[in-house]
Amino acid sequence: KAGVTQTPRYLIKTRGQQVTLSCSPISGHRSVSWYQQTPGQGLQFLFEYFSETQRNKGNFPGRFSGRQFSNSRSEMNVSTLELGDSALYLCASRPTGGDSEQYFGPGTRLTVT
Amino acid sequence: ELKVEQNPLFLSMQEGKNYTIYCNYSTTSDRLYWYRQDPGKSLESLFVLLSNGAVKQEGRLMASLDTKARLSTLHITAAVHDLSATYFCAVGDFGNEKLTFGTGTRLTIIP
Repeated sequence: KAGVTQTPRYLIKTRGQQVTLSCSPISGHRSVSWYQQTPGQGLQFLFEYFSETQRNKGNFPGRFSGRQFSNSRSEMNVSTLELGDSALYLCASRPTGGDSEQYFGPGTRLTVT
Repeated sequence: ELKVEQNPLFLSMQEGKNYTIYCNYSTTSDRLYWYRQDPGKSLESLFVLLSNGAVKQEGRLMASLDTKARLSTLHITAAVHDLSATYFCAVGDFGNEKLTFGTGTRLTIIP
């Protein structure tokens, strides 16, 4: 079974631009969560989607948004990029019921200059 | 708000020695995870602990959970160089998928 995939793997953007990151969960997984990892703040929860609905949101400004499609693929968008948005963005998927495991993708490394 | 404290932050060990990483959390939870991260890589799942007294072992790593003390430990037995990595514990919120991560323990095994 294929794992969680994220595209692109690396991205360089300029301050003020916007960016969209994509995550494809493991087949059959309907829950997708997003995390930001930085050296200063560590791993922080951004949001979680299930069946195209955002179920939970972390403490991030409104510039961070996301959505989920009917095939469970998810995207997150960051508008008006700031230098502090440079981070590794990880997505995780989880099956419905039973297994509590969360499976992480390889991440997208975003650099804002 | 759930807080997760992990210690030590840095750990340098000699090969063959034993050591323990500690993870304390502030409020009741229904699940606790341990992950490994190699430099520049994603998170690799090691263990999921779901109940008080749960103990899981894989190779030289053993994790346990005491929900009453809100404490989990990751014990490393007879460390080898391949175990050098950063280890995170993460605690799940009740009723949702959010994970709150500890600060991580950067483990270096010295030959």
